Amino acid sequence: QQQVKQSPQSLIVQKGGISIINCAYENTAFDYFPWYQQFPGKGPALLIAIRPDVSEKKEGRFTISFNKSAKQFSLHIMDSQPGDSATYFCAASRDGSARQLTFGSGTQLTVLP
Amino acid sequence: ETGVTQSPTHLIKTRGQQVTLRCSSQSGHNTVSWYQQALGQGPQFIFQYYREEENGRGNFPPRFSGLQFPNYSSELNVNALELDDSALYLCASSSRGQANYGYTFGSGTRLTVV
Repeated sequence: QQQVKQSPQSLIVQKGGISIINCAYENTAFDYFPWYQQFPGKGPALLIAIRPDVSEKKEGRFTISFNKSAKQFSLHIMDSQPGDSATYFCAASRDGSARQLTFGSGTQLTVLP
Repeated sequence: ETGVTQSPTHLIKTRGQQVTLRCSSQSGHNTVSWYQQALGQGPQFIFQYYREEENGRGNFPPRFSGLQFPNYSSELNVNALELDDSALYLCASSSRGQANYGYTFGSGTRLTVV
């Protein structure tokens, strides 16, 4: 059962544009929503994360928007750069000792120069 | 501060064989988790180890097993390899009690089963 659905599968934007990636979750017990960035041949790296008590979190060019009632969250990359070209994964977990992350299927972002 | 290191980086095994993958945690981290990432997919949680004991397991059969050592390094063992076990295996370390529960992932071991 896929508990975190991510879209789109791939995304192409021009340099300077806004990249938007969306995720939807099913399990209302989830209380931690991170985004990871993965370059080829590397492991995922934590980009930004949010908890459901806030609706938005911004770190530099990266913003998470969170809609608890709709069970959706999204990543916005402002002023996208070619160096942002990577695969992005949303994830979710619930409080507990294991902190097991459930990942989305990923979005391959290409930023054209 | 050292990151998470995994070995080997690549491995080719034959169906039915057994494999051991190794992981050294980031300095200061006491929890190790293992994930399987099939090509073009997101990582899937296999299990987590804390204080040398399994502390949470995903939907993986018992032929996937692990160990955590006193220095917080870890091993992932897979018995009776199947073709579908071909994937990138990621180790992630974290620190129990850390507010943001941020994982640090290694670069992974690419396992190919033929």
